[in-house]
Amino acid sequence: AQSVTQLGSHVSVSEGALVLLRCNYSSSVPPYLFWYVQYPNQGLQLLLKYTSAATLVKGINGFEAEFKKSETSFHLTKPSAHMSDAAEYFCAVSGAGGFKTIFGAGTRLFVKA
Amino acid sequence: EADIYQTPRYLVIGTGKKITLECSQTMGHDKMYWYQQDPGMELHLIHYSYGVNSTEKGDLSSESTVSRIRTEHFPLTLESARPSHTSQYLCASSAGLQETQYFGPGTRLLVL
Repeated sequence: AQSVTQLGSHVSVSEGALVLLRCNYSSSVPPYLFWYVQYPNQGLQLLLKYTSAATLVKGINGFEAEFKKSETSFHLTKPSAHMSDAAEYFCAVSGAGGFKTIFGAGTRLFVKA
Repeated sequence: EADIYQTPRYLVIGTGKKITLECSQTMGHDKMYWYQQDPGMELHLIHYSYGVNSTEKGDLSSESTVSRIRTEHFPLTLESARPSHTSQYLCASSAGLQETQYFGPGTRLLVL
């Protein structure tokens, strides 16, 4: 069985500050992990994904995430927030042999000027 | 750039009406999905398809039905809409298992 928990439904940061969005997963098989972003009135689009290669994954728009098996975590970070980063972010997990991707409840990121 | 389209984008209808939400993709993906999205909640998979003539129900019980007669087309139908069907519906596709899913812009449905 697989599950995803995103800690914090809302995160607020100042422009230029570090962005940290937390994601913990549960999976009975080696996981594939994803971060998606959703801007208002749009569908989700992929930020980055982990598929058992390098544990530090770099994505678009300066985001990166680190897979930590011992902590079952896949937190998303960005060194310096921009106003354009304000959106909702979804962590997701799937596994080898499985079909369905499980999505977390999402974290809405607010960026203050 | 993903090419997956949903129509209509917004729909307001009365209780008891039959509606079809359209989803098309031009990427040749075998796998297609329908999700229901409500504010502050996980995306819930309501239907998926492995390919033509293959459809399955997802984790969330839904009164909707789907069909997959052509690879590129995956419409979702509600025979008799109810206020409880009010939600956002997202269509997605992927090339294979564990692959990136490409999402359409969604259809916001309001049933009065």
